[in-house]
This record gives sequence, structure tokens and C-alpha cells, in this order.
Amino acid sequence: GENVEQHPSTLSVQEGDSAVIKCTYSDSASNYFPWYKQELGKRPQLIIDIRSNVGEKKDQRIAVTLNKTAKHFSLHITETQPEDSAVYFCAAKQNNNDMRFGAGTRLTVKP
Amino acid sequence: DTGVSQNPRHKITKRGQNVTFRCDPISEHNRLYWYRQTLGQGPEFLTYFQNEAQLEKSRLLSDRFSAERPKGSFSTLEIQRTEQGDSAMYLCASSLGRVTLEQFFGPGTRLTVL
Repeated sequence: GENVEQHPSTLSVQEGDSAVIKCTYSDSASNYFPWYKQELGKRPQLIIDIRSNVGEKKDQRIAVTLNKTAKHFSLHITETQPEDSAVYFCAAKQNNNDMRFGAGTRLTVKP
Repeated sequence: DTGVSQNPRHKITKRGQNVTFRCDPISEHNRLYWYRQTLGQGPEFLTYFQNEAQLEKSRLLSDRFSAERPKGSFSTLEIQRTEQGDSAMYLCASSLGRVTLEQFFGPGTRLTVL
């Protein structure tokens, strides 16, 4: 089955700096890669996703890149703000299979 | 609120008791997923439904766990003879279907087994 690894587990940046979180997956058949943001005590919220036929996707300060050959994908947050502080989860999924999540990255943005 | 809803939000029970949680997905979403999340971990897949059919169940899921979605709308997750190790956040998510893969999560039910 699919195995998703995520790193780093914690990341601390200064406000305005960029943050990068990386994930690797094991099953080359996975074709959908979402990123979720989870604030303390709240539900995971989808912030961006990418499909395997796309190499990069951007939405304002957030971007995701996918390298299918190397089976890794990354989340990039630019111009970080204190409200970006949360736990971020990557995930990987095939069409009719379950979604596997990484263990999460706790991002702290210091003002 | 047209998002995914779950009830109850919190449940405290004694070891050995049975508990049942409910999930109401976004209307017209035909896929419904149950996950379990423990502190410091990502959501762990338990089972999912397409309409009323339970299509997949995690091998990690004990026989004490059962889920239903009788009319293809809301779903229930029952845990029988609860154990302390069952304490976790139980999350439900729904998605529109095969073409649209985005899953939208509910607020979760936090279970504490004493």
C-alpha cells in the first residue's frame, strides 16, 4: 500500500520568510496530492492540491510542486504570516483507493 | 452550515461501553470517509462508502468497529466494547465522487475512553 513520509516534523520561520515542507510517496500509481492545514482543535482544511498530470500549481502565496519520477512533492509558502502557523499534512491518493496522510509538520511563524 | 457535520463533538465513555458517532456529509457528495487521528499524527484511514456501499475497510480496523450508511446520506460509526486505545479524534470527510477527489472534513468527534 501507499506510504507517505513528511518532513520536517517541525519548522520555525520568521514572519516574511518562506517555508518549504516536503513529502515522498511510495506508490507510483498515486495521482492526487492534497495539502491540508489544521489549526489547533479544528478540522483539516484543504489549502491546495495537485494532480499527477501537473508539475506545479500556485495559489497566491502557496505553491505545490510535484516530481513524479522521484515520487516527491513539496509545499511552498512565501511571505509567511503568523496566521500561517498550524500543522500541515500532505497526502497521496489513487482514484479508487484510500488517502494516506503524512505525519504532519508543525509550522510556527514568529512575528 | 452546508459543510460536513458530526455529532457528538465530544464523547467520554467508560471502557467496555459501546459508542456511536454520526456524520452528515455535504449534500450530493456520494463518497464518505472515516478517519481516526491521534495527537501528533495525520488522519488514518478507517473506511469509506460510495453511496450506501462500503467499498473499503482498513486492515487495521478491529472487528469492534462497524460503519453504516444505510440510505447513502448520513453515516454512523459504532465502536463496541471500547478500549482506552480507542481514544482519538474521529473525523469524517466527504467528496463529490470519482472525478472530483477533494475531500472535505467535518469537525470531528473527540472520544475519550476512561
